[in-house]
Amino acid sequence: KNQVEQSPQSLIILEGKNCTLQCNYTVSPFSNLRWYKQDTGRGPVSLTIMTFSENTKSNGRYTATLDADTKQSSLHITASQLSDSASYICVVISSGTYKYIFGTGTRLKVLA
Amino acid sequence: SAVISQKPSRDICQRGTSLTIQCQVDSQVTMMFWYRQQPGQSLTLIATANQGSEATYESGFVIDKFPISRPNLTFSTLTVSNMSPEDSSIYLCSLDPGLAGTEQFFGPGTRLTVL
Repeated sequence: KNQVEQSPQSLIILEGKNCTLQCNYTVSPFSNLRWYKQDTGRGPVSLTIMTFSENTKSNGRYTATLDADTKQSSLHITASQLSDSASYICVVISSGTYKYIFGTGTRLKVLA
Repeated sequence: SAVISQKPSRDICQRGTSLTIQCQVDSQVTMMFWYRQQPGQSLTLIATANQGSEATYESGFVIDKFPISRPNLTFSTLTVSNMSPEDSSIYLCSLDPGLAGTEQFFGPGTRLTVL
């Protein structure tokens, strides 16, 4: 069964600290993996898109990694800011059907 | 990038009534998607709406409950019919630019509360 699991479910960190969010998936066949940021009351916004051949992709203070062999991805946030408080959703797209399989997200809260 | 707007942004409705949510895109797109996000949950695809054809519904969603219109390539509506409190969710429209590996854009969402 195609699944995307994220951990932790929620996370609280102090402003300026780094954190890493995890995503494990069992989706096959694999097309690409995406990380989204969703602010409260808003639609998700894409942070990174990674295909099978990409190991790392950065977007400012956000760096995503992908290990296609172990089917794991991580999102590292550097020097966190209060505006990073949001839900972060990992999405894996299955090739062929082009189905989007969403993780349940990690709720990050950054405290001053 | 694409700009997607949704109306209304939020609503509070009585059970048994229906609400129609509008989604407007600033460019022509082939496929539009409707998602539901229940409180504390991730997104669940309701249906895919192609212009000129019937919407394709995911398992657990039926046309009688969630009728969808797609009259042209820039607009779609989702109706939540005969609402119950379990329908309280955020409803989002999304569009796929049609190329694998490219960005999927989401609307801002409609927050629906059913009393």
